[in-house]
Amino acid sequence: KAGVTQTPRYLIKTRGQQVTLSCSPISGHRSVSWYQQTPGQGLQFLFEYFSETQRNKGNFPGRFSGRQFSNSRSEMNVSTLELGDSALYLCASSIDRLQNTGELFFGEGSRLTVL
Amino acid sequence: GQSLEQPSEVTAVEGAIVQINCTYQTSGFYGLSWYQQHDGGAPTFLSYNALDGLEETGRFSSFLSRSDSYGYLLLQELQMKDSASYFCAVRRNYGQNFVFGPGTRLSVLP
Repeated sequence: KAGVTQTPRYLIKTRGQQVTLSCSPISGHRSVSWYQQTPGQGLQFLFEYFSETQRNKGNFPGRFSGRQFSNSRSEMNVSTLELGDSALYLCASSIDRLQNTGELFFGEGSRLTVL
Repeated sequence: GQSLEQPSEVTAVEGAIVQINCTYQTSGFYGLSWYQQHDGGAPTFLSYNALDGLEETGRFSSFLSRSDSYGYLLLQELQMKDSASYFCAVRRNYGQNFVFGPGTRLSVLP
């Protein structure tokens, strides 16, 4: 069974540009969440999607947005990129929101560098 | 605010036992998870405690005391491949909204 797939794996952008990252969850998984990982701030929650609806949102500015499609695939978008947005963006999936295992399945991440 | 504390680094030798502590202060608590992350890799799930007590999974065990806002991960019979970063993460509410700790870098020496 394929794991969580994130594309692209690496990308370089310049300040002011925008970027879209994609995540395909494990087949059958309906919940997708996004995290930003940086050396200084660690892993920080961005948002969670379930059934095409945003269920939770972290403390990030409105430049960060996301969506989920009917096939559970998700995208996140960052507009007006800043140098501080350079990070590893991780997508995680789980079967649904009701599970009690606390287990998230993470993808390898998309490493964004903003110049 | 939300805060989790873990030791930044731990060093141990092969075959030893190591305990990584995690204390937390969060608004909302559904459970405590532990994840392992090797350099350049994705975090992988190790264990989850929703109730007080000890959970054992092979060489790894995890403990939770909700009254003390404290948990730990116990790794036994350490192997070189256990060298990695370990994160505790509090599940804050009904969904998959986790607050992660800063991570503990474990180095296992021969």
